[in-house]
Amino acid sequence: AQSVTQLGSHVSVSEGALVLLRCNYSSSVPPYLFWYVQYPNQGLQLLLKYTSAATLVKGINGFEAEFKKRETSFHLTKPSAHMSDAAEYFCAVSDRRGAQKLVFGQGTRLTINP
Amino acid sequence: KAGVTQTPRYLIKTRGQQVTLSCSPISGHRSVSWYQQTPGQGLQFLFEYFSETQRNKGNFPGRFSGRQFSNSRSEMNVSTLELGDSALYLCASSGYQETQYFGPGTRLLVL
Repeated sequence: AQSVTQLGSHVSVSEGALVLLRCNYSSSVPPYLFWYVQYPNQGLQLLLKYTSAATLVKGINGFEAEFKKRETSFHLTKPSAHMSDAAEYFCAVSDRRGAQKLVFGQGTRLTINP
Repeated sequence: KAGVTQTPRYLIKTRGQQVTLSCSPISGHRSVSWYQQTPGQGLQFLFEYFSETQRNKGNFPGRFSGRQFSNSRSEMNVSTLELGDSALYLCASSGYQETQYFGPGTRLLVL
């Protein structure tokens, strides 16, 4: 069975500060990992994905994540927060490249302070 | 390409009724997955259809069902609605061994 734990249901940072959203996974097979973002009253938008190529993955809107096998982590970072980054972020794991059955973490709500 | 579309966007039903939600995938995508999102349980996988066949199923009661048509459009049905079925229902489509792309969701309120 696979699972995802997102540490911190709420994270608050100042505009221009580093954003760090934590995600740890559990998987009995090599995982495929994803970060999605959800803005109010919208669906999920893919930020980035890890599919066993480079361990440092760059996504949209300046976000990136690093796959660390030993630490079973896939933390999301952005060097400088923007007000438009305020949203809910979900880490997800799948055991197949197709990722048709995603297991999601509980989500982290990111607030940006002016 | 047009994105995933879901209809209706909002729905209000009463306990005991049934409801049907519709999802049109991105053109060319043959896999459609459904998820339920609630504040308490988060995002949970319901089922996945590929070429009109259910390929994966989550841990939901039999009141939740779905189907897929030859044009890859999918519907999910919930019978005998309960208050706890109030949620955002998200549909996602993907091509062969590709990432899932989500629609805006249908928000269901059961009174």
